[in-house]
Amino acid sequence: SQQGEEDPQALSIQEGENATMNCSYKTSINNLQWYRQNSGRGLVHLILIRSNEREKHSGRLRVTLDTSKKSSSLLITASRAADTASYFCATDARDESQGNLIFGKGTKLSVKP
Amino acid sequence: NAGVTQTPKFQVLKTGQSMTLQCAQDMNHEYMSWYRQDPGMGLRLIHYSVGAGITDQGEVPNGYNVSRSTTEDFPLRLLSAAPSQTSVYFCASSSTGDEQFFGPGTRLTVL
Repeated sequence: SQQGEEDPQALSIQEGENATMNCSYKTSINNLQWYRQNSGRGLVHLILIRSNEREKHSGRLRVTLDTSKKSSSLLITASRAADTASYFCATDARDESQGNLIFGKGTKLSVKP
Repeated sequence: NAGVTQTPKFQVLKTGQSMTLQCAQDMNHEYMSWYRQDPGMGLRLIHYSVGAGITDQGEVPNGYNVSRSTTEDFPLRLLSAAPSQTSVYFCASSSTGDEQFFGPGTRLTVL
């Protein structure tokens, strides 16, 4: 069964705007990761946040984690047309073997120039 | 480094045929995984391996076999293809089990 659920399923914004995607999960985790997938390509790792961290930054990306609500958000600031892709959260459940990632269904982001 | 490579890129099978999807990585990663991606379903874990000689089942293992005789290679075998196995298959590897590096995928159609 799917561990993570992204929200919204699809998001359309103008270039320069910020994009926020949310992820909710069901069980206790060791860490949560965000990946990006361009159409027809493999996934690319963006950022990892551990269960004892609340916020993490990487370039134009900001990730927050609220373990009490079992949720995370990914913020992309000053979006560009090249950010158009699908974004997935993935969790490494605490009671699962390491390396056993469970992915959500993804948010499809469209950034219009 | 080539990273994670997958062959073939595309494959069409008839129901009941068998085939092997190849995956190789040149990063000396211990962890390797196979996922399938279906429209609107995200990625689902089929099988994974935490090292040579060690494999385990993921969420959707039925109809698939794996083996890990070397660190570099992790082939996925479809024993008797079914239309429900029509999907895009991704192989991934990781040094720690955290950040995963994905291959470009194999698009499989079973008629």
